[in-house]
Amino acid sequence: DTGVSQDPRHKITKRGQNVTFRCDPISEHNRLYWYRQTLGQGPEFLTYFQNEAQLEKSRLLSDRFSAERPKGSFSTLEIQRTEQGDSAMYLCASSPSTAAYEQYFGPGTRLTVT
Amino acid sequence: EDQVTQSPEALRLQEGESSSLNCSYTVSGLRGLFWYRQDPGKGPEFLFTLYSAGEEKEKERLKATLTKKESFLHITAPKPEDSATYLCAVQIFGETSGSRLTFGEGTQLTVNP
Repeated sequence: DTGVSQDPRHKITKRGQNVTFRCDPISEHNRLYWYRQTLGQGPEFLTYFQNEAQLEKSRLLSDRFSAERPKGSFSTLEIQRTEQGDSAMYLCASSPSTAAYEQYFGPGTRLTVT
Repeated sequence: EDQVTQSPEALRLQEGESSSLNCSYTVSGLRGLFWYRQDPGKGPEFLFTLYSAGEEKEKERLKATLTKKESFLHITAPKPEDSATYLCAVQIFGETSGSRLTFGEGTQLTVNP
């Protein structure tokens, strides 16, 4: 399978704990995006990388959220001091530079904060 | 503020009963309009990109069209396997917008056999 992969698929954590998610984009894609989706809503943009550079961050991305893409390949999204409102599906997408407008999504990581 | 509104929120069809989903948008400068399909518990699956008014694209039983204010996703003779949530998203021009997609809330389609 050469699609976008995300790990873990599901994460249950207690309020106040830190969590980290990983995204592996399609191999030749240099752009990577993180979105958050709650039940019944469309995905909301969080942040965007071109290669290893983080070029845009949404105001939704509070100080407790940090994302990295250290070598321009996989990316991690960390949430510190989780809150119940952080419960959502976290989606990663990637796109190639040649067709930069088409974003291909991974299966998502479902986070539940208890 | 950029806005994307999808209607209806939910749609139930009988197998073979054709219909259309609507996506209306208010944006400062449209770079592209995207349709995705999302099955429960999965990530969105890319369907179409439309760039300019008058453009149409087709894939199997689906046809997407674009005007200056809205897009339609026409479903011809749907089958139960077409049941899913259909998401519309826009991408706008502008240095601060980057490549982000702004999504609507989706239309949940159910096709009964």
